[in-house]
Amino acid sequence: ETGVTQSPTHLIKTRGQQVTLRCSSQSGHNTVSWYQQALGQGPQFIFQYYREEENGRGNFPPRFSGLQFPNYSSELNVNALELDDSALYLCASSLGGQGIYEQYFGPGTRLTVT
Amino acid sequence: DQQVKQNSPSLSVQEGRISILNCDYTNSMFDYFLWYKKYPAEGPTFLISISSIKDKNEDGRFTVFLNKSAKHLSLHIVPSQPGDSAVYFCAASEYNNNDMRFGAGTRLTVKP
Repeated sequence: ETGVTQSPTHLIKTRGQQVTLRCSSQSGHNTVSWYQQALGQGPQFIFQYYREEENGRGNFPPRFSGLQFPNYSSELNVNALELDDSALYLCASSLGGQGIYEQYFGPGTRLTVT
Repeated sequence: DQQVKQNSPSLSVQEGRISILNCDYTNSMFDYFLWYKKYPAEGPTFLISISSIKDKNEDGRFTVFLNKSAKHLSLHIVPSQPGDSAVYFCAASEYNNNDMRFGAGTRLTVKP
């Protein structure tokens, strides 16, 4: 059974640029949730995708967008990067539309915006 | 708004003793609570959960207690082992709501 993987591991971008982060869900899981974890804080829910549709969104502006593909892998896109977007971005996969239970997290992508 | 709070950034205990990690929440609509453990360079891993219809859930060395009137939950680890050293996150959610709220975490160090 393959766990949740994320790429890249680290990324450095300049303010105003755009970034795409990728997540492969655990085998058999059809739901992916994305979280932002700023330094010294807990993960903060960005949004969830279930069967290729957005299925809930946290308090993040529209420049945070996502996609889920037929194989249930997912992308997080952030446009017009700001310095405060520097954080660890975590994805978590689960089975079913209610992604709050038994979520399996990837190791994260560390994004630094300069 | 920080609806889930872990007021102790760190905790240090001796191997074999009890570790007690605390968590407070403000949203009375939360009805499902989870604890996650996170090692460096890894994602959080699910540890134990409890629904609001219970006040205790036990899994091996780990027990979670929920006090709804105080809006407080705690995680007890007995006996503590050096491998338990990690950051522990408390999380809470409403049923049918995907927006799971996390605390800021408590770094547990278990000394041999």
